[in-house]
Amino acid sequence: EPEVTQTPSHQVTQMGQEVILRCVPISNHLYFYWYRQILGQKVEFLVSFYNNEISEKSEIFDDQFSVERPDGSNFTLKIRSTKLEDSAMYFCASSEMDRGEKLFFGSGTQLSVL
Amino acid sequence: DAKTTQPPSMDCAEGRAANLPCNHSTISGNEYVYWYRQIHSQGPQYIIHGLKNNETNEMASLIITEDRKSSTLILPHATLRDTAVYYCIVRPGGSQGNLIFGKGTKLSVKP
Repeated sequence: EPEVTQTPSHQVTQMGQEVILRCVPISNHLYFYWYRQILGQKVEFLVSFYNNEISEKSEIFDDQFSVERPDGSNFTLKIRSTKLEDSAMYFCASSEMDRGEKLFFGSGTQLSVL
Repeated sequence: DAKTTQPPSMDCAEGRAANLPCNHSTISGNEYVYWYRQIHSQGPQYIIHGLKNNETNEMASLIITEDRKSSTLILPHATLRDTAVYYCIVRPGGSQGNLIFGKGTKLSVKP
C-alpha cells in the first residue's frame, strides 16, 4: 500500500534555530496536512494545504510556522525560531480529493528542542 | 473540543471480539463517525467511517445506533497487534476540515 514518508525520523535542534520537516505525500493525493502530538497529549491539527495554499489552520499555527510544496512531491513544515514547547511528534498526512475523509498519516518526525 | 466520549481504557483477550463504544449525543445530520487508531506513537491509521448504516471492511465493523447518538467499533478477532489507542471522531462528510482527536480508548489485547 502507498504510504506517506517523513524525514528525518528524529530531529534535535537548539532553541531559536530554524527547522524544516519534510514529507512526501502519496503521489495522487491533493490535500496535505500537518498535525503534532506533544508527549502524552492529544494529536492536534496544525494546518491543511490544497492547491498551493493553506485551506485551514489552527491557533497553534502562528507566524513561526510555514508550509510549502516546493516541488511536485515534497511538502514541508518550517518552524522559523524553535521554542522548547515546539518539542513534539509532527505527523504529515495526505488525502485524495474525492476521499477527504480518509487521511493517510506518516510515521512522524520527533522534534526535540533543547 | 472533541464531540465524542469514549472510555479511557479497555482490555480484550486475544482472539476475542473487541467492542469499543463511543457516545456522540450531539451529532448533527451531516456528520459522519470516523474511527482511527494510533499504535504506540505511530501516525494515526484510518479504520472505518459511516453515516447511519452499519459498515464493514477488512479491518473492522462499525455499528451506529438508529438515533446516531452512539456507535461501536468491532474488531472481530483481536490480535496483540491491535493494541493501540482508538479514536472516535465526528466530522462533516466530504469536508477537508481538520480531524479533532480526543483522548481515545487505550485497547490492550492480552494473550
